[in-house]
Amino acid sequence: QVQLQESGPGLVKPSQTLSLTCTVSGGSISSGFHYWSWIRQPAGKGLEYIGRVYSSGSTDYNPSLKSRVTISLDTSKNQFSLNLNSVTAADTAVYFCARVQADNRAYDYWGQGTLVTVSS
Amino acid sequence: QSALTQPRSVSGSPGQSVTISCTGTSSDVGRYDYVSWYQQHPGRAPKFIIYDVTKRPSGVPDRFSGTKSGNTASLTISGLQAEDEADYYCSSYGGGYTFVVFGGGTKLTVL
Repeated sequence: QVQLQESGPGLVKPSQTLSLTCTVSGGSISSGFHYWSWIRQPAGKGLEYIGRVYSSGSTDYNPSLKSRVTISLDTSKNQFSLNLNSVTAADTAVYFCARVQADNRAYDYWGQGTLVTVSS
Repeated sequence: QSALTQPRSVSGSPGQSVTISCTGTSSDVGRYDYVSWYQQHPGRAPKFIIYDVTKRPSGVPDRFSGTKSGNTASLTISGLQAEDEADYYCSSYGGGYTFVVFGGGTKLTVL
């Protein structure tokens, strides 16, 4: 059974960098059959796609966040990471990591989510 | 790439059926059979319930079904149960190097 688990600070100061890691168990992030994605959800709002990384290391980002986002892989640890810089209160949200099937782009496994609050 | 359009809320009584629509464009929903649906209970992660427009992952009850017509996909939940009360999101592939977009979400209330 594939499991994903987000980890990282729950509180980030404005203008600093939000950094989260997703640890994957039960499957390899190098498989080539999946993308690995970050999605966020502000309180009471819908899901927002942040970006994704493929096993080759290629990435795709939401155009609205592209200038501030980096997603990367660490295959040795079976993890992928999110860095979002120059954060503001608008970046406060629950952040989910998820596995995406490469053939049909369905998000089949999700982490439980982690709340990140941007505040001084 | 624009978000997909869903009704903000729908409701139904136990045992009834409800349908949630998801309207995109000829570049995403209308062009590809890569529509997925997710169920999210409060405080929980989304759960994958439909993929490829009509297919159900293992373990998802057959009360949940998906269809598509033109640029609009639909999720129907039949035999409504109290546990179905949740938010539902659709997503669709948009082709090329664009990626998956999500609908705005629909809150299902079981009366």
